Amino acid sequence: DIVMTQSPDSLAVSLGERATINCKSSQSVLYSSNNNNYLAWYQQKPGQPPKLLIYWASTRESGVPDRFSGSGSGTDFTLTISSLQAEDVAVYYCHQYYSTPYTFGQGTKLEIK
Amino acid sequence: EVQLVESGGGLVKPGGSLRLSCAASGFTFSNAWMNWVRQAPGKGLEWVGRIKSKTDGGTTDFPAPVKGRFTISRDDSKNTLYLQMNSLKTEDTAVYYCTTGRWSDSWGQGALVTVSS
Repeated sequence: DIVMTQSPDSLAVSLGERATINCKSSQSVLYSSNNNNYLAWYQQKPGQPPKLLIYWASTRESGVPDRFSGSGSGTDFTLTISSLQAEDVAVYYCHQYYSTPYTFGQGTKLEIK
Repeated sequence: EVQLVESGGGLVKPGGSLRLSCAASGFTFSNAWMNWVRQAPGKGLEWVGRIKSKTDGGTTDFPAPVKGRFTISRDDSKNTLYLQMNSLKTEDTAVYYCTTGRWSDSWGQGALVTVSS
């Protein structure tokens, strides 16, 4: 199974500042035949289901603000929020869909400093 | 607009069975790969299984913790996904979400399953 490890487990950032969450996979999720990284990011607010933010490691889902961006390839990935807003307080998860069993990172809790 | 509505959750004793349903609308259900993902109280997300579209073979995959106990099926004529859960354990207690597509782009609101004596 591919193990997804996020860092940090929790993060406090001031409003308007940059927030960075890292995700490392235990093996590559890059499919060489199409050069796609099978990696997604989700945001989950309390009492709500997760919401897709990013897929293919860097493609923003329709309607997601452009302050959210994804980067990385192979085994190392980053979710960046360029200017933190109050509504971004949530838990963020990375997810590999490269091979079954699909797996998620343990989550990163983002708070306002 | 994509809508996914789970139903069938509830309280069940260890060793019991339960079937969840997920009614889908707003997209071509028959073409979609569908997943179940669960979240134990206060915990993270765990993928529980997937079914491919019939045109892609209709096959299912499960992780080790539920393999042999859970099955997934679909009724494309009713736009409905099912999760049959047998031999339930206390550690299966969770909110169960159905999701669409390979990377779970849409999620339902979830159904709570509580396994307790």
